[in-house]
Amino acid sequence: GESVGLHLPTLSVQEGDNSIINCAYSNSASDYFIWYKQESGKGPQFIIDIRSNMDKRQGQRVTVLLNKTVKHLSLQIAATQPGDSAVYFCAETEYGNNRLAFGKGNQVVVIP
Amino acid sequence: GAVVSQHPSRVICKSGTSVKIECRSLDFQATTMFWYRQFPKKSLMLMATSNEGSKATYEQGVEKDKFLINHASLTLSTLTVTSAHPEDSSFYICSAGPQGYEQYFGPGTRLTVT
Repeated sequence: GESVGLHLPTLSVQEGDNSIINCAYSNSASDYFIWYKQESGKGPQFIIDIRSNMDKRQGQRVTVLLNKTVKHLSLQIAATQPGDSAVYFCAETEYGNNRLAFGKGNQVVVIP
Repeated sequence: GAVVSQHPSRVICKSGTSVKIECRSLDFQATTMFWYRQFPKKSLMLMATSNEGSKATYEQGVEKDKFLINHASLTLSTLTVTSAHPEDSSFYICSAGPQGYEQYFGPGTRLTVT
């Protein structure tokens, strides 16, 4: 069950600054990773993905970095905007296996 | 991108009753759909894999008789919470993808059991 009073790690960032969100994944066999954005009361929204044969991938205003040695994933958001305020989750899976394992989530709060 | 819908978006039911939640892929066919559960300020927990035309595959610790899943067509999976109790109150989310690893999530269903 849930823990009363448990808060997600929160990153407060000034509008226009860059944000970096980190994620440690657990399964060494995972070879496909995805970042999702979830706004309050909504389902997760795909942001960007990366396969294990890459260590960096860029999208529009977002960059994902993968360090397989230490099983670490990060999401960088450039020029953070108020609309970026949300909870961000990383997810891992083995390519071809659609079962996703989600990380704990990070709350991003953009200060206007 | 592909669109996944859920119905209802919110439901309140009395303890002991059953509630059915629908997940639909609107513009693609999905032989596999997934059901997740999410508590406030927590991550998504995979409950089960819904397989079109066959039995669902449940994750460890998820009661299959409690959470009945039916995937009767290539665009619809249903999750029925049977004999609901207050501890079943949660945010239920489904996902599906038109091919391989791409997963698109529904908007979620907020279940409150009183």
